[in-house]
Amino acid sequence: EVQLVESGGGLVQPGGSLRLSCAASGFTFSNYYMSWVRQAPGKGLEWVANIKQDASEKFYMDSVKGRFTISRDDASNSLYLQMNSLRAEDTAVYYCARDIFWRAAAEASYTYYYYIDVWGKGTTVTVSS
Amino acid sequence: QSVLTQPPSVSAAPGQKVTISCSGSSSNIGNNYVSWYQHLPGTAPKLLIYDNDKRPSGIPDRFSGSKSGTSATLGITGLQTGDEADYYCGTWDSSLNPGGVFGTGTKVTVL
Repeated sequence: EVQLVESGGGLVQPGGSLRLSCAASGFTFSNYYMSWVRQAPGKGLEWVANIKQDASEKFYMDSVKGRFTISRDDASNSLYLQMNSLRAEDTAVYYCARDIFWRAAAEASYTYYYYIDVWGKGTTVTVSS
Repeated sequence: QSVLTQPPSVSAAPGQKVTISCSGSSSNIGNNYVSWYQHLPGTAPKLLIYDNDKRPSGIPDRFSGSKSGTSATLGITGLQTGDEADYYCGTWDSSLNPGGVFGTGTKVTVL
């Protein structure tokens, strides 16, 4: 069974740090891009970051650039999100996700195929004093 | 702040049809493929549609997707009480700061 299990959430003070982990099983982890997506209380889904299979490419949403770092360990089938300088607005349920991501050349640019086909159940991060 | 706009809510009686729109721009929907997700509170989101109009195995054909220009649409026919959930569109945004993007989300209510 394909499964993603997040851990590491909790209560942290503003300005603090937290490291989220995601344990993957049931598929060849090293073959996939992986993502983190979050949902703040009462808000919608928000894409946070993703990482290429060999970690040579990483993308981040603007508001977490320079504060969050996504990484992976293919030997242990694990995805991580190191979160520093946390703010109240980072309070959310954080989901680990498996991406299907590739691009095709199209005239003067690329066309991107992107979707998330497997999601974890999430881990809750609360930033509060 | 999401770059994909959806109506906050839609509703219909059981057995009826609803459509949910998702409006974007040339840097996202206009040039890339769209997906749709169903999200029930407290659970993992579920993929309903990928590559604009394809359904993963196990998703009933009551769910359909389409795309035209910089907008996409999710249709749900034969509405059931179990369809009551939040629905999100998603795609890749290939602007100066590339990354995944989701719509603002739509609450479907079965009357």
